[in-house]
Amino acid sequence: QVQLQESGPGLVKPSETLSLACTFSGGSIESSYWTWIRQPPGKGLEWIGYIYYDGNTKYYPSLRSRVTISLDMSKDQFSLRMSSVTAADTAVYYCARAPAHGSGTYFSQWGQGTLVTVSS
Amino acid sequence: QSVLTQPPSVSGAPGQRVTIYCTGSSSNIGAGYNVHWYQQLPGTSPKLLIYGNNIRPSGVPDRFSGSQSGTSASLAVTGLQAEDEAEYHCQSFDRSLNVWVFGGGTKLTVL
Repeated sequence: QVQLQESGPGLVKPSETLSLACTFSGGSIESSYWTWIRQPPGKGLEWIGYIYYDGNTKYYPSLRSRVTISLDMSKDQFSLRMSSVTAADTAVYYCARAPAHGSGTYFSQWGQGTLVTVSS
Repeated sequence: QSVLTQPPSVSGAPGQRVTIYCTGSSSNIGAGYNVHWYQQLPGTSPKLLIYGNNIRPSGVPDRFSGSQSGTSASLAVTGLQAEDEAEYHCQSFDRSLNVWVFGGGTKLTVL
């Protein structure tokens, strides 16, 4: 059973860079899309992007210019960096695993989530 | 504004049946992409409830069922129990945006 755990600062200043890490265990790196999803307070879920084991990434179009997802296989960890944050980026950030089944895939395992607040 | 549309809330008495609808368009559900459902209990992360329109992962009670028709999908919960009170989210793929998309979530209240 795959387990995921997010880590990182809970408070980021406006215009700075949000950095989160997700440590995973129990799953196959090669058969998964390692994914970030967020949920602003009181709102629905928003897919941010994923990284595949070969380094290929895919991002939500409106976030693409500010987001980078990277993978460190030696640490069983993948990371999210989001630059130039504003209050609109305040959300609970989840890391998740999706089976690498193409467009029809789903998010089978989730981390517990971490609240990131953007405020000065 | 979510790409997939869900009602903000539904409710039902214990033992009753409720249905949550998820409405999309010809670029997502209507294009034949699978719909998946997640249950988010208060204060917890989402949990996969239904995948591939109507498949329950191991451990999910058969009181939960999913279906899809045209540009919409639905999640039915029969024999409502107090423990079913949660937020439910639908998810699919949108070929115009070329990304995975979610509904805005539906709060199920057990009266």
